[in-house]
Amino acid sequence: DTGVSQDPRHKITKRGQNVTFRCDPISEHNRLYWYRQTLGQGPEFLTYFQNEAQLEKSRLLSDRFSAERPKGSFSTLEIQRTEQGDSAMYLCASSLFLRGNEQFFGPGTRLTVL
Amino acid sequence: QQQVKQSPQSLIVQKGGISIINCAYENTAFDYFPWYQQFPGKGPALLIAIRPDVSEKKEGRFTISFNKSAKQFSLHIMDSQPGDSATYFCAAIRDNNAGNMLTFGGGTRLMVKP
Repeated sequence: DTGVSQDPRHKITKRGQNVTFRCDPISEHNRLYWYRQTLGQGPEFLTYFQNEAQLEKSRLLSDRFSAERPKGSFSTLEIQRTEQGDSAMYLCASSLFLRGNEQFFGPGTRLTVL
Repeated sequence: QQQVKQSPQSLIVQKGGISIINCAYENTAFDYFPWYQQFPGKGPALLIAIRPDVSEKKEGRFTISFNKSAKQFSLHIMDSQPGDSATYFCAAIRDNNAGNMLTFGGGTRLMVKP
């Protein structure tokens, strides 16, 4: 167990609905990352936070996606007006600031959009 | 744009055999190369990693070989065991503390037959 937790583990929703996922990083880690993994593929970077500041966003993160880390601890990823193409595993990872290359992943939230 | 290419997509090895997974990268700015192991329903777990200033790194039954001039690196699993059956991802990252977003290969599904 790496210590990164994600909730929920599974989410089934209908197209057009909004969903929100939560990630709790390892407590002393000040960097938090979101990745998306589709079936049979490697994870793809979405965005990352250093403390509460969102420092980078991928082109994959469309306007329907928003991520927050309000107090520099847990983070939420919201998808508005979900589409079938959003179906994927959403992975959260965390790291220490000076050890950003060593990222520890949570178990992921599997989203299915019907 | 696939910056890290991984092969093979799947691999079947007999117990006790050697599993070899290969990766090639394009961006010469990458300077840290981790391998992740992922079991079904779990997030990726960091297995072993290498920097380009060394040609080989060994940890237990796992060895990374690195060829900087060819921009290639590989994972060797010696004495493969059924418990090693998982999906393996190579990755690359710019270890400059400015972003540290992992770029993953497409994954190799390894099955070790008893």
